[in-house]
Amino acid sequence: NAGVMQNPRHLVRRRGQEARLRCSPMKGHSHVYWYRQLPEEGLKFMVYLQKENIIDESGMPKERFSAEFPKEGPSILRIQQVVRGDSAAYFCASSPTGTAGYTFGSGTRLTVV
Amino acid sequence: DAKTTQPNSMESNEEEPVHLPCNHSTISGTDYIHWYRQLPSQGPEYVIHGLTSNVNNRMASLAIAEDRKSSTLILHRATLRDAAVYYCILRDVDYGGATNKLIFGTGTLLAVQP
Repeated sequence: NAGVMQNPRHLVRRRGQEARLRCSPMKGHSHVYWYRQLPEEGLKFMVYLQKENIIDESGMPKERFSAEFPKEGPSILRIQQVVRGDSAAYFCASSPTGTAGYTFGSGTRLTVV
Repeated sequence: DAKTTQPNSMESNEEEPVHLPCNHSTISGTDYIHWYRQLPSQGPEYVIHGLTSNVNNRMASLAIAEDRKSSTLILHRATLRDAAVYYCILRDVDYGGATNKLIFGTGTLLAVQP
């Protein structure tokens, strides 16, 4: 039973490029959450999705960031026109219901050069 | 979301018990107490959660004060692999799903000495 799979593990982008981070939840989990952890800081909630629906995006920056969780396939966190301040570890988590404990992936470490 | 207060850091010796405290004086009746930990360079890992009664699982025990204003995560025999940041988080049960996010604080950095 594979855990939450995130890829790539490491991603390097030049300023102005787009970054696409993928998250495959655990089998049977239909709730997906994205968190960001800046260097030397705690985890900050970004967005909560269920299949084809964004439930809570209160932590998403207003511009350049978007997330989706299509009916088929992984959840995608997209960052357009990346800037140096976007360099961080991005963690995805999933749960079988909205009230169950989360299972986190190992994260994608984004470096913007 | 109700706030939690944890010590910034704690130290323990290997194979000794560790008690990690958490204060949550503004906890509401529907808040569950969750604990997660984050090992270096990894994603957070669920440890345990509870509402009112003490809870035990293979990883740890959770002792909840009678007034629920504080709780303690107990690692019965610390190992070097338990060195991590431990987060105490209050999570409101919203069966409608709108408040399912976890709000992480700064946690307690546990160092385990051999």
